[in-house]
Amino acid sequence: GAVVSQHPSRVICKSGTSVKIECRSLDFQATTMFWYRQFPKQSLMLMATSNEGSKATYEQGVEKDKFLINHASLTLSTLTVTSAHPEDSSFYICSAPPGQGLNYGYTFGSGTRLTVV
Amino acid sequence: QKEVEQDPGPLSVPEGAIVSLNCTYSNSAFQYFMWYRQYSRKGPELLMYTYSSGNKEDGRFTAQVDKSSKYISLFIRDSQPSDSATYLCALSRDNQGGKLIFGQGTELSVKP
Repeated sequence: GAVVSQHPSRVICKSGTSVKIECRSLDFQATTMFWYRQFPKQSLMLMATSNEGSKATYEQGVEKDKFLINHASLTLSTLTVTSAHPEDSSFYICSAPPGQGLNYGYTFGSGTRLTVV
Repeated sequence: QKEVEQDPGPLSVPEGAIVSLNCTYSNSAFQYFMWYRQYSRKGPELLMYTYSSGNKEDGRFTAQVDKSSKYISLFIRDSQPSDSATYLCALSRDNQGGKLIFGQGTELSVKP
């Protein structure tokens, strides 16, 4: 089946620094990547949708200048949390729909736990 | 009204029990239905995927879709302690880039 590799799995950074999270589709081409944020005991909250070769689409209330998304190729999408603050501490997850012409569910990365101190 | 409703639980069952998890939805435009299992601090893992009304079975798991009632279910037979996790239903209008709409997730605990 499809695999999305997400790194790092866990990161601790100082307040004011930036953190980059990578998601790679290993055996299929991901023209679209969804980025989610999840708080404890809650469901996934969609932050933005990245599309290869075009600007990301952000959900209402998500700061595009704070959460920079780049979809540089058909196999790599990145989320950069800029000038991170403790309130940005959360679990971030990426997800990709199946490749063109394929018929199975969406695949998720393993998640990144970000702690800002 | 939320687009997808799912009882958050928690649900606690003894080992070996049959578990029934359910979601209801309001928009008939949803055509693709998925169930995910999420362990604590991990990404969701796809369990079942279907796009038609009826039943789909995979091992101990059975997904059921009733489009006329806008109701989907996941059944787990012979539940095991390792099934203890949060189960999320997810729906989409298409499977080529449309957004997934999630239920709130049901926390399941299977007691040995």
